[in-house]
Amino acid sequence: GENVEQHPSTLSVQEGDSAVIKCTYSDSASNYFPWYKQELGKRPQLIIDIRSNVGEKKDQRIAVTLNKTAKHFSLHITETQPEDSAVYFCAASRGYSSASKIIFGSGTRLSIRP
Amino acid sequence: EADIYQTPRYLVIGTGKKITLECSQTMGHDKMYWYQQDPGMELHLIHYSYGVNSTEKGDLSSESTVSRIRTEHFPLTLESARPSHTSQYLCASSRTSGSNEQFFGPGTRLTVL
Repeated sequence: GENVEQHPSTLSVQEGDSAVIKCTYSDSASNYFPWYKQELGKRPQLIIDIRSNVGEKKDQRIAVTLNKTAKHFSLHITETQPEDSAVYFCAASRGYSSASKIIFGSGTRLSIRP
Repeated sequence: EADIYQTPRYLVIGTGKKITLECSQTMGHDKMYWYQQDPGMELHLIHYSYGVNSTEKGDLSSESTVSRIRTEHFPLTLESARPSHTSQYLCASSRTSGSNEQFFGPGTRLTVL
């Protein structure tokens, strides 16, 4: 069945350094790839998304890249800050399809060391 | 304000009890979902719905049932709660057309003794 694999499961970086989280997906028809951030005790919230017609998207310190051929996509956080500490989930779906559901990765717990 | 609401936020019950977790949304979304999540861990899809009178089982049906009689309301029922059901339950919704961005509710933290 459809699957999204996410690595690493935990990641610890020094404040100010960059963090990279990687995901692969199995459904070649997937065309919408969101990233969610879940802070401790809070609900997951969308932080950035990318569609299959775009290879890269940036929003301030975060960026997402997509390689459709390899079915890989990644989240990049630069100049990490303490408030970046959270669990991050990647996901894939056939966006624009009324019958599609979103498949989440297993999550990455990011810790920022002061 | 458009949002997703879940009640109760916290629930402690004994084994064997029947419970219903409530979820309602004022987002105007057709699609709704239930996830089970241990704190900070993987999101497990339990049930989802594409619209009124539509319900589908997810990867983890968890001996639960759902109903979708009204667009804005998607309750989850556990017929006989067990300690293994202790977890957080998140409700979410999304549009039918356009992106599949999901908006999550605040969650119900369930403890079964």
